[in-house]
Formats: sequence, C-alpha cells, structure tokens
Amino acid sequence: KQEVTQIPAALSVPEGENLVLNCSFTDSAIYNLQWFRQDPGKGLTSLLLIQSSQREQTSGRLNASLDKSSGRSTLYIAASQPGDSATYLCAVDTGNQFYFGTGTSLTVIP
Amino acid sequence: DVKVTQSSRYLVKRTGEKVFLECVQDMDHENMFWYRQDPGLGLRLIYFSYDVKMKEKGDIPEGYSVSREKKERFSLILESASTNQTSMYLCASSPSGTSYYEQYFGPGTRLTVT
Repeated sequence: KQEVTQIPAALSVPEGENLVLNCSFTDSAIYNLQWFRQDPGKGLTSLLLIQSSQREQTSGRLNASLDKSSGRSTLYIAASQPGDSATYLCAVDTGNQFYFGTGTSLTVIP
Repeated sequence: DVKVTQSSRYLVKRTGEKVFLECVQDMDHENMFWYRQDPGLGLRLIYFSYDVKMKEKGDIPEGYSVSREKKERFSLILESASTNQTSMYLCASSPSGTSYYEQYFGPGTRLTVT
C-alpha cells in the first residue's frame, strides 16, 4: 500500500524567507502528485499538479518538483508571506485512489 | 471554476442517529470521493464512485454507506452515528480516467456526534 510522508510536521519561518516542504512516497508507480493548501477548518485548495512524466511545475512563487524514481517531491515557496501560513498537503494518485500525507503546518512570522 | 459544495459546514448529531452528508459538484465530473480527516491521521478515503450508481470501498468504509443516484450528487450516510465518527468530512470530485487530473475539494463538514 502506498504511504506518503511529509517532513517536517510543522515549520515556522520569518517573513521573506525561502522555504522547502518535503513529501516522500513509497511506491513510484504513480500517475501524478498534487500539492494542496488547507486553511484551518476549511477544505483543500489545489496548488500544483505534477504529472508523472513531468519533473516540475511552477505557479507564481511556488515551484514543485517530482523525482519519481526516488519517491520524492518538494514544494518550494519563494519570499514567504504571512498569508502563506496554512497546512500544506501532498497527495499521490496511483490510478485507483489518492493517498495523502499528514501535512506540514507552516507559520510565516511578520 | 469547479465548484464542490457540501450541505452543511457544521453538524451536531446524537449517537444512534442516521446522518446524511450531501455533496454536489457542478462540473460534470465522473469521479467523486468522500474522505474523513483527523489530527495525526491525515485524510482517509471512505468511499468513492466512478459513475452514477457505482461505488467502491476506500480504506475505512465500516459504519458508512454511500449513494449516487445522479452524476452531480454523492451522499455519505452514517447508518447509526457513533462518537468515533466525530470528524471533518471532505468531499472531492475529479474528471474521468485514471488521472492526470486534479481533485477538487468542497469546504468540508465538521460533524460532532454526542
């Protein structure tokens, strides 16, 4: 069964810092990997989707990379802002279902 | 924009009650999913559906059932609510096929069973 791990579980950084969130998965047979943002008490908002044939995707200050062979993905956030404070989750699609990590809770300090 | 709506943001029910959670999507997506989210456990898949009247068990189907009579609507049913079903319930939808497509989530329903 696919297992998805996110490290660290929590991260606190000063405003303006660049940061990296990590996601690892145990089975490299995936169709895609998706990064989400979740604000407290809310649903998930999709940030980036990387197809299995791609190595990275960019959207504004966000850049996500995927290394399928090593079972790793990173989400890079440039010039962090207090509004980036949220929980970030990654999910892998195996074709049968999606498997989620438990998330990294990010706090950006003004 | 894809919109996924859930019938209630907050719900309080008593042990033993039958509970219905409704999810509606407006983008003609074939796939719909029900998850529950608990601290430290992340999102866990309860049931999913690839088409009308079709359903598949996820990782934790016990104590739940689902109904999909129309393409846009996917209902989660707690036949007899128990306190261990207190959780955040999230519905999602995605287009057909074995992906390259994103999942879109609703705002969630916070269910408390007393």
